Amino acid sequence: AQSVTQPDIHITVSEGASLELRCNYSYGATPYLFWYVQSPGQGLQLLLKYFSGDTLVQGIKGFEAEFKRSQSSFNLRKPSVHWSDAAEYFCAVAPMDSSYKLIFGSGTRLLVRP
Amino acid sequence: KAGVTQTPRYLIKTRGQQVTLSCSPISGHRSVSWYQQTPGQGLQFLFEYFSETQRNKGNFPGRFSGRQFSNSRSEMNVSTLELGDSALYLCASNQNGGSSDEQFFGPGTRLTVL
Repeated sequence: AQSVTQPDIHITVSEGASLELRCNYSYGATPYLFWYVQSPGQGLQLLLKYFSGDTLVQGIKGFEAEFKRSQSSFNLRKPSVHWSDAAEYFCAVAPMDSSYKLIFGSGTRLLVRP
Repeated sequence: KAGVTQTPRYLIKTRGQQVTLSCSPISGHRSVSWYQQTPGQGLQFLFEYFSETQRNKGNFPGRFSGRQFSNSRSEMNVSTLELGDSALYLCASNQNGGSSDEQFFGPGTRLTVL
């Protein structure tokens, strides 16, 4: 079955520290891969996406993600976290089977210490 | 351009009632998707519409239905409400309806069933 796993429910980092959020997917072929962020009371905003090509993709707000086919992973990183990055982060896949849907991971809540 | 708008933002209903939620996509977007977000089940796909046609439906009971109008606006309806239907319902739109297209999410409708 298609699935997306985000093993960390909560992560706390100090402001200015680096960040890595983990995401693994289970799917027959490499799907389209996305990271979204949700701030309290808000909808989801796309941070970045991967379809093919360069395995390191750059997104908005200084985020980047690296696709590793051998590990079925798509981890999100940021070199220096800002207090405004505190939010919930969702990894998602869109299967290439014309199902026109996103399958989301369970999310990782990021807390930022001052 | 205005973003995706959802009305109402908050709704309180009692068990057994029905409810209709509305979503206005970004101008020019032809695809609208709906997702249910709960603490226990996370983000789950409900259905997707493109040019007034439902192309996919998630694993939800028949009490959940939707439609899309010729101006791409969409509604979803839940009949015979149950306590477990309490959730944040998110609508997303994209321009061309492709699986790789960026989904733009609205702020959601928070439904509480008492």
